[in-house]
Amino acid sequence: EDQVTQSPEALRLQEGESSSLNCSYTVSGLRGLFWYRQDPGKGPEFLFTLYSAGEEKEKERLKATLTKKESFLHITAPKPEDSATYLCAVPVYGGSQGNLIFGKGTKLSVKP
Amino acid sequence: ETGVTQTPRHLVMGMTNKKSLKCEQHLGHNAMYWYKQSAKKPLELMFVYNFKEQTENNSVPSRFSPECPNSSHLFLHLHTLQPEDSALYLCASSQGVFGGDSPLHFGNGTRLTVT
Repeated sequence: EDQVTQSPEALRLQEGESSSLNCSYTVSGLRGLFWYRQDPGKGPEFLFTLYSAGEEKEKERLKATLTKKESFLHITAPKPEDSATYLCAVPVYGGSQGNLIFGKGTKLSVKP
Repeated sequence: ETGVTQTPRHLVMGMTNKKSLKCEQHLGHNAMYWYKQSAKKPLELMFVYNFKEQTENNSVPSRFSPECPNSSHLFLHLHTLQPEDSALYLCASSQGVFGGDSPLHFGNGTRLTVT
């Protein structure tokens, strides 16, 4: 069964304290792994897509990496405005387009 | 106006009421989706429409009835809901060929409370 597990559930950081979020997945055939950011009261906002092991993508203080079993979202010198819930998702094997399995997310809080 | 717009933002309804959620996308996409986000649970796909045709119904109860009159508009008609249906209902859109070049774009959702 396809599964996505994110850890930790919650992470509290001081401003400037770098860390990483984990997304481990079990799918029959990976057709991409997606990272989203969700602010309270809003819908998820797309961040990155990764397709193959070894691939990396960066955006400001965020860098996403992918291995054959997991993905990491590295946050370098975070700021309070990086506080949000970060979601990862993979397409369901054999499913129609847009049929994604989401993890429960990691709620990140960055204190000044 | 750009992006994916959902109305209303909040909705409180009784178990015997009938209501509808509306979604409109201004991105020129041709696929639209309904997702459900419940507390402490991951997002769950409900329905997929591609070029106005329903291509996925993820075993959703019949008290939820989707309608897609064109590629820009999507509705979710609700009737005789249960309290456990209380959740954030998210609409999303994407280009026809789903993938990294066309990820899902989400609206800000309708927060539904069933009393």
